[in-house]
Amino acid sequence: GAVVSQHPSWVICKSGTSVKIECRSLDFQATTMFWYRQFPKQSLMLMATSNEGSKATYEQGVEKDKFLINHASLTLSTLTVTSAHPEDSSFYICSASVSESNYGYTFGSGTRLTVV
Amino acid sequence: KQEVTQIPAALSVPEGENLVLNCSFTDSAIYNLQWFRQDPGKGLTSLLLIQSSQREQTSGRLNASLDKSSGRSTLYIAASQPGDSATYLCAVGSGYALNFGKGTSLLVTP
Repeated sequence: GAVVSQHPSWVICKSGTSVKIECRSLDFQATTMFWYRQFPKQSLMLMATSNEGSKATYEQGVEKDKFLINHASLTLSTLTVTSAHPEDSSFYICSASVSESNYGYTFGSGTRLTVV
Repeated sequence: KQEVTQIPAALSVPEGENLVLNCSFTDSAIYNLQWFRQDPGKGLTSLLLIQSSQREQTSGRLNASLDKSSGRSTLYIAASQPGDSATYLCAVGSGYALNFGKGTSLLVTP
């Protein structure tokens, strides 16, 4: 149980285009999902917290107009990288808590974004 | 702000050895601590979750301990196998999102 599905697993896009990444909780409802970014040989850094039915909360230094987050339902959150640049190339991964934070977190399989 | 540190950054051992990965955190007010495995280019696989009230958790050849007061956790891997080669991430839950260490890259050689 508690599976999070993330798509696509990898994407290559041209500079200036937008890319949408989907994160779905398959067998549970997730009122809150988290989006992380991981650069090579670095730790996962929290980008934003996605809340169902309300605006996302962004971490300091993360541009909310560039990384659009939509959490339209209890099972789906999307991250759209707008006007992508090569420096946005990274590994993006989403996460959800099954219920409350005391029960741990489950992660999607990640999306490798390469902007050329 | 919670800081999570993992030592060593990289480790290479021959098959069959027992090994210990270390994780330390600066703020002892945590809900839980979770150990993950990450294979190259892949997502995270949860290995063990320790609640703040617990001292350790075991799963197969893995054992994780938690000492909240000293801000430390260890992941013990018994009888290591080449298939254990991966990056191991320690993450601390403080009631919000997780705070991750940079991981320990483990290579188990046949």
